[in-house]
Amino acid sequence: AQSVSQHNHHVILSEAASLELGCNYSYGGTVNLFWYVQYPGQHLQLLLKYFSGDPLVKGIKGFEAEFIKSKFSFNLRKPSVQWSDTAEYFCAVTMNRDDKIIFGKGTRLHILP
Amino acid sequence: EAQVTQNPRYLITVTGKKLTVTCSQNMNHEYMSWYRQDPGLGLRQIYYSMNVEVTDKGDVPEGYKVSRKEKRNFPLILESPSPNQTSLYFCASRVVGGRTNEQFFGPGTRLTVL
Repeated sequence: AQSVSQHNHHVILSEAASLELGCNYSYGGTVNLFWYVQYPGQHLQLLLKYFSGDPLVKGIKGFEAEFIKSKFSFNLRKPSVQWSDTAEYFCAVTMNRDDKIIFGKGTRLHILP
Repeated sequence: EAQVTQNPRYLITVTGKKLTVTCSQNMNHEYMSWYRQDPGLGLRQIYYSMNVEVTDKGDVPEGYKVSRKEKRNFPLILESPSPNQTSLYFCASRVVGGRTNEQFFGPGTRLTVL
């Protein structure tokens, strides 16, 4: 079955550290890829998305993600994190054979001030 | 303002007492969906609807019902709630066929079943 894996369940970093959160999916066809962020007590918001074109996608708040098709990956990066980035991050995939979106289990990011 | 609304935001109930969580969107989206979020399990889809009068089971539909009589509304019904349905519930909507488009999420409903 198709799935989305997020390797890190809980990440703790200090402010100004660099961030990379892993996301891999299992599907050989065309995909659209998303990263959502959920700040404490809030709903999910779109951080960035990839559907075609340049595999390096830039999102809000300085985040970016790179789609590497050969590795089935869509890792999220930020060069210098801030305390306000403390949140849970979800990778999601839609596959061209149906209209369903599949979420990863999420990565809880905690930034130390 | 484009948004998805859910009510109530918080609900504590007892086993077996029927309840409904409402969801409404003002973006004229065809697709609506319900998820539950549990620690360590991420988001799991309960039911979804591609349009009015069209609903389908998601990954965890047991114990839930939905209806889509109007495009803007997609209520989630728990006929006989049980403690294992204690969770955080999100409603979401988007354009059908819009795989390049994002899902818009409601603010969430935290349900506790005693």
